[in-house]
Amino acid sequence: GESVGLHLPTLSVQEGDNSIINCAYSNSASDYFIWYKQESGKGPQFIIDIRSNMDKRQGQRVTVLLNKTVKHLSLQIAATQPGDSAVYFCAENPPKGYSTLTFGKGTMLLVSP
Amino acid sequence: EAQVTQNPRYLITVTGKKLTVTCSQNMNHEYMSWYRQDPGLGLRQIYYSMNVEVTDKGDVPEGYKVSRKEKRNFPLILESPSPNQTSLYFCASSPTPGTGVNEQYFGPGTRLTVT
Repeated sequence: GESVGLHLPTLSVQEGDNSIINCAYSNSASDYFIWYKQESGKGPQFIIDIRSNMDKRQGQRVTVLLNKTVKHLSLQIAATQPGDSAVYFCAENPPKGYSTLTFGKGTMLLVSP
Repeated sequence: EAQVTQNPRYLITVTGKKLTVTCSQNMNHEYMSWYRQDPGLGLRQIYYSMNVEVTDKGDVPEGYKVSRKEKRNFPLILESPSPNQTSLYFCASSPTPGTGVNEQYFGPGTRLTVT
């Protein structure tokens, strides 16, 4: 909902720009990572995932990069559109259990027309 | 349509009055989970269930109960709600364990206010 965006880092871009959203994860043993998008008033929606044996994965207009050395994930959105405005979360699957995901705090992306 | 549904979407209640938030999925997923989302704290897992009759505590289970009597349903129970449980709650489900597919599908959320 609307309160999700409070206290979050914000990235403001112009329509058509490329956006890069960064995430630091906590557990070096995590082997699976997901990016979620959350629009106001809705639940998180899957965007793209990546396994720890990869360092890059591409989807439609999105690319996820994984740097295990520094425990860093990034989400790149090409040709950002106003409909991309949302809060973006990374999530990691630490080894404590199948399907248990630990979420980052999120970044709000604001796209101006 | 494949989906996770939650009811109610909005609820205002008073301290101590037991309530249940229902969650249902139609994707035949074995794994289901409850999260709460608070400003500045992100999504935190309350409870999860790997299958029918199997439930486990997440990171913030205090004050909550769950049950998993059927595969499709995973209700969240607050026996004696308190104001610090005012939050936005999400239910999620995920496909069969062991396949390596960990994507979770989220419901639309339930905004709970406890006065």
